Amino acid sequence: KAGVTQTPRYLIKTRGQQVTLSCSPISGHRSVSWYQQTPGQGLQFLFEYFSETQRNKGNFPGRFSGRQFSNSRSEMNVSTLELGDSALYLCASSGLAGENEQFFGPGTRLTVL
Amino acid sequence: AQTVTQSQPEMSVQEAETVTLSCTYDTSESDYYLFWYKQPPSRQMILVIRQEAYKQQNATENRFSVNFQKAAKSFSLKISDSQLGDAAMYFCAYRPYTGTASKLTFGTGTRLQVTL
Repeated sequence: KAGVTQTPRYLIKTRGQQVTLSCSPISGHRSVSWYQQTPGQGLQFLFEYFSETQRNKGNFPGRFSGRQFSNSRSEMNVSTLELGDSALYLCASSGLAGENEQFFGPGTRLTVL
Repeated sequence: AQTVTQSQPEMSVQEAETVTLSCTYDTSESDYYLFWYKQPPSRQMILVIRQEAYKQQNATENRFSVNFQKAAKSFSLKISDSQLGDAAMYFCAYRPYTGTASKLTFGTGTRLQVTL
């Protein structure tokens, strides 16, 4: 089974721009969660989608949004980028609702200049 | 809110020796999951071991085992016969048991160095 894939792997943007990151979960998985990892704040939960619905949301400003498509692929969008948005963005997928193991993708490294 | 604390920013172990990484957590829930994840320099987060809070028996996966003390809210990871490939950041994580929530709360991580 192919693992979780994330595209692109690396991204450089400037302040004020917007960015879209993509995550393809493991085949058959319907839950996709997003995390932000920074040296200062560590790993923080952004949001979770299940069957195209946002099921959970972390404490991030409205500039961070996401969506999930019918094939379970998910996108995350950050608008009006700030320097502090520079981070590794990790996506994780899991199977049926309540399944306890999340499988992580390799991440997208976003640098905001 | 749940919190996870890893008080050891860095640890070092010699190859073939045993090391224990500490983790404590705070929750008011009685049922939950605990995990140890490994993040090597490649940045890919890999699940090492998991523990269900309702199980009294400590989880074991090959050279990795945990010491789960529910009353003390402690969840340490023991790595036996350490190998060079074990060098990585290790994160302790908590997840509530509620069936519709996949949110993981992570600790700040412990960087493990393995020396010859």
